Amino acid sequence: NAGVTQTPKFQVLKTGQSMTLQCAQDMNHEYMSWYRQDPGMGLRLIHYSVGAGITDQGEVPNGYNVSRSTTEDFPLRLLSAAPSQTSVYFCASSQGFEQFFGPGTRLTVL
Amino acid sequence: DAKTTQPNSMESNEEEPVHLPCNHSTISGTDYIHWYRQLPSQGPEYVIHGLTSNVNNRMASLAIAEDRKSSTLILHRATLRDAAVYYCILRPNFGNEKLTFGTGTRLTIIP
Repeated sequence: NAGVTQTPKFQVLKTGQSMTLQCAQDMNHEYMSWYRQDPGMGLRLIHYSVGAGITDQGEVPNGYNVSRSTTEDFPLRLLSAAPSQTSVYFCASSQGFEQFFGPGTRLTVL
Repeated sequence: DAKTTQPNSMESNEEEPVHLPCNHSTISGTDYIHWYRQLPSQGPEYVIHGLTSNVNNRMASLAIAEDRKSSTLILHRATLRDAAVYYCILRPNFGNEKLTFGTGTRLTIIP
């Protein structure tokens, strides 16, 4: 199993640009989520999904959209990037007590 | 959500046991205690979890106080690879898979 994969690993955007961070898992997990981690801080939940077609907001959802059309994929869309969205983004999946995290995407917005 | 309190940082010598404390005085009866760790430049990884009884697995042991207001993650023989940020997290109930991360404890291992 590849586990949780994220692409790209690094991305630089200009203010106002849009982009999609990709996340995929091959463990057939129903629950998937997106977190962001700012320097020196813990992870904060952006959006999550309990299954295909079902998504909900987490702690810091503003400026981000998600959809879940398949069990495997859970993309995160930045509609109009802002410097405050400079962060490391982690995707996770779980089915039960253990969450599996991807390697992260480091995003810089200039 | 109930909150946890951890020391910002700790140091330990290589090959010695490490005890990482966590206070959670407002824990509710259905909260599970989870520990994750984050190695440098990686995503968090699950370490261990428990409800009331002490737990052991291949990575660590979890000691839970009788009143459940505190817990301790025990690494029995620290290696350099154990240098990481360790997060103590309360999950409201088994069906709720959201995790609320604090700032954790940064563990430094001294060779």
